[in-house]
Amino acid sequence: SAVISQKPSRDICQRGTSLTIQCQVDSQVTMMFWYRQQPGQSLTLIATANQGSEATYESGFVIDKFPISRPNLTFSTLTVSNMSPEDSSIYLCSVRPTGQLYGYTFGSGTRLTVV
Amino acid sequence: GDSVTQMEGPVTLSEEAFLTINCTYTATGYPSLFWYVQYPGEGLQLLLKATKADDKGSNKGFEATYRKETTSFHLEKGSVQVSDSAVYFCALSANNNDMRFGAGTRLTVKP
Repeated sequence: SAVISQKPSRDICQRGTSLTIQCQVDSQVTMMFWYRQQPGQSLTLIATANQGSEATYESGFVIDKFPISRPNLTFSTLTVSNMSPEDSSIYLCSVRPTGQLYGYTFGSGTRLTVV
Repeated sequence: GDSVTQMEGPVTLSEEAFLTINCTYTATGYPSLFWYVQYPGEGLQLLLKATKADDKGSNKGFEATYRKETTSFHLEKGSVQVSDSAVYFCALSANNNDMRFGAGTRLTVKP
């Protein structure tokens, strides 16, 4: 299965600033997903990122707040913009490796605290 | 839309006790079903999966059977260990797209 390297693993940021989270996969994948896990809660899908096209955002998430890049089949970034304390969460990227219909792999997550 | 309803936690058990965590789903079509585990301070790991009705997924002593008639995928383990303490998430994926998660169930196993 794919191995995902996600960084930073954690950060403490000032409100009003932005943080870019990187997700690197050791194999080419068509679809990459970004999730948010708020404290003590389940995962919520933010957006789906396909290479060569704009990301598709879920209801409640907008590109201005969470811009995503997907420059190639092994890499993606998620930026959390103009942060507020409500953005304090764990952010995770996930991939569905090409040729593996039902297996999903997650990165270890980025624990973000906004002060 | 597609959704997963998972047993509320937290669940506290003694070592060697029997574990059941209930999970039911709502989906159009025939989704794949998953259990993920999140150990303290770590990301999600796939525990087991089932891709069609009556399939049984199993791993590390955990089992879950895909029951189409009851739209359920309950997680079971016959004898839990302290090292099983974690948060467990039931999830589904339909049409091979993104994954939808249940609320998670925190399991604490005491020696």
